[in-house]
Amino acid sequence: AQSVTQLGSHVSVSEGALVLLRCNYSSSVPPYLFWYVQYPNQGLQLLLKYTSAATLVKGINGFEAEFKKSETSFHLTKPSAHMSDAAEYFCALKRGGGNKLTFGTGTQLKVEL
Amino acid sequence: NAGVTQTPKFQVLKTGQSMTLQCAQDMNHNSMYWYRQDPGMGLRLIYYSASEGTTDKGEVPNGYNVSRLNKREFSLRLESAAPSQTSVYFCASSEVAGALTDTQYFGPGTRLTVL
Repeated sequence: AQSVTQLGSHVSVSEGALVLLRCNYSSSVPPYLFWYVQYPNQGLQLLLKYTSAATLVKGINGFEAEFKKSETSFHLTKPSAHMSDAAEYFCALKRGGGNKLTFGTGTQLKVEL
Repeated sequence: NAGVTQTPKFQVLKTGQSMTLQCAQDMNHNSMYWYRQDPGMGLRLIYYSASEGTTDKGEVPNGYNVSRLNKREFSLRLESAAPSQTSVYFCASSEVAGALTDTQYFGPGTRLTVL
């Protein structure tokens, strides 16, 4: 069975500090991985996706993620946090050729002055 | 280009009442999905429709029915609402469900409370 684990349901950083949101996956076949962001009272918006073309994936708003097969991880980073980054972030996994996305439980990011 | 739209935005029901959540997309996508979002549980797939005329159960289908009315519209029906169905419901669509790089696009959600 495939699954996604997001470590830390709440992460707090200072404005300007590094953002690191952790995602580990379990999949018996090569996965396709996604990060979504959800701003308050809104739907989910795609930040970036890994589809095996490159292990370092750049997304919108300065976010990037690195796929590490040996660590079964796909952590999301941003060098310098901005107040506008405060939101909930979801990691999701899709098996190649499948229809379904499996979501992690989400990480709420708080950015403090 | 509105993307994925959902109605209503908010709804309060009494136990046993029925209602239909509406979803429409204008991106000419083939596949559509219904998820529910509960605190600490992420999003869970209720039903999906890989293409017009087909529907399949997801992870948590009990208590729900769906209709793929046409290529644009995919509705979710609660026949007899229960408090356990209090949740935020998201509709999503994607171009081709089985494609490797298929990306799902989400609507703004419907916040449902069942008393």
